[in-house]
Amino acid sequence: DTAVSQTPKYLVTQMGNDKSIKCEQNLGHDTMYWYKQDSKKFLKIMFSYNNKELIINETVPNRFSPKSPDKAHLNLHINSLELGDSAVYFCASSQEGASGGVGTDTQYFGPGTRLTVL
Amino acid sequence: SQKIEQNSEALNIQEGKTATLTCNYTNYSPAYLQWYRQDPGRGPVFLLLIRENEKEKRKERLKVTFDTTLKQSLFHITASQPADSATYLCALDSGGYNKLIFGAGTRLAVHP
Repeated sequence: DTAVSQTPKYLVTQMGNDKSIKCEQNLGHDTMYWYKQDSKKFLKIMFSYNNKELIINETVPNRFSPKSPDKAHLNLHINSLELGDSAVYFCASSQEGASGGVGTDTQYFGPGTRLTVL
Repeated sequence: SQKIEQNSEALNIQEGKTATLTCNYTNYSPAYLQWYRQDPGRGPVFLLLIRENEKEKRKERLKVTFDTTLKQSLFHITASQPADSATYLCALDSGGYNKLIFGAGTRLAVHP
């Protein structure tokens, strides 16, 4: 049973295209996240949602738009793809993490989506 | 500026020895710090969490220390095995909403 799943695993596309990455978690968690891991392996938070509400919105180009149709799903849509968007994108989830206080919940990561922009 | 740093070079050790990985941070006051393991082509997997009021945490062969004065966490794997070879990431809380800031990770290679 896959706890956090992402599709597709690999995505190769041309500059200027629009693409989406889907994420689903079956852990019953309330909070979901998107991270970007670049070629230097830094894992950086992009967004988080709690019960379909946007909680964390880092300094990310507005070409990136997360969408959460329900608390088990968090999709990432990217418009007008650029070469610098090439990276591995990870989805994650946690039980809490959005109370505004200090959440300490473990984050469970998906397998990642390797995006290559040509 | 805020920084979180881990040994940038790979750590090579002999099977059976203790591996010690370092995580240093500046200009953060984390309430807790977490360690994750990442294998090639996979997502990070949670290992341990230590809070600011805890000095040490253990789980089987793993031990984490947290020194808020030195702004440093040490991660130890005792009796290391080749299966422990992976990249280890430290992540600290940056002040609410479970927003984690990750280090770049240290690659550990345990040789038979």
